[in-house]
Amino acid sequence: DTAVSQTPKYLVTQMGNDKSIKCEQNLGHDTMYWYKQDSKKFLKIMFSYNNKELIINETVPNRFSPKSPDKAHLNLHINSLELGDSAVYFCASSLAQGQETQYFGPGTRLLVL
Amino acid sequence: LAKTTQPISMDSYEGQEVNITCSHNNIATNDYITWYQQFPSQGPRFIIQGYKTKVTNEVASLFIPADRKSSTLSLPRVSLSDTAVYYCLVVGGYQKVTFGTGTKLQVIP
Repeated sequence: DTAVSQTPKYLVTQMGNDKSIKCEQNLGHDTMYWYKQDSKKFLKIMFSYNNKELIINETVPNRFSPKSPDKAHLNLHINSLELGDSAVYFCASSLAQGQETQYFGPGTRLLVL
Repeated sequence: LAKTTQPISMDSYEGQEVNITCSHNNIATNDYITWYQQFPSQGPRFIIQGYKTKVTNEVASLFIPADRKSSTLSLPRVSLSDTAVYYCLVVGGYQKVTFGTGTKLQVIP
C-alpha cells in the first residue's frame, strides 16, 4: 500500500489554465504539507495543514489554494498557471508537527507551456 | 530558525565510508537534527534523527558533538545505489521544516 500518493504524476498544461493536484495519505497522520522543488532542486515548503487547519502559509501567490476536505487529503489548486510554476510538487505527511518524520509522496511534475 | 550549511557535493568510491558534515550554529535547545535522502525523481526519504551524541540505525550513523553546533552523517561502505542528495535539517517544536540545498553524493564504481 502506498503511504502518500499524489495524482497526477505528470501534468503538462498551457499558461493561464487552472489545475489541481491531489494528495492522500493512509498513515493516519494529522499534518500534511505541500512542497515545491524547482529546477535547481531547492525544496521549499508552501503550506502545512494540521487536522484540516492551515498552519503554515509561506509567501506563495494566492493563485495557489490548498484544500483539505479531511485529515487524509490535502489538494492543491492552482489558478492562472504561469511558466514559473513549472516544478515538481511534493506532498508529505507527518504524525504531528515539529520533529516528526515526514513521509513524502512521489511528486507531481508540472510543466507549464 | 536554525540554518544549516553542508557541502554542495561529494564524490566517493564504492565500498568507502562517507561522512557528510552539517553546520547548525544557532540550533535551539528543543531542536532535533534530521537527515533525509532524495533519489532522482523521488520524494525525500527519512534516514536518521538525533538529539545528541550518537545514533545508529540499519542505514547510517549520526554523530553529534556536545555543543550540537554540527552533526555528521556517516554512511558505511557506500554502493552505487547510495548516489543521492542528502539533506540536513534542524527541526523542533511547531516551527516549519526547512530543507537546505543538500549534499549531492556521487558514488563512483
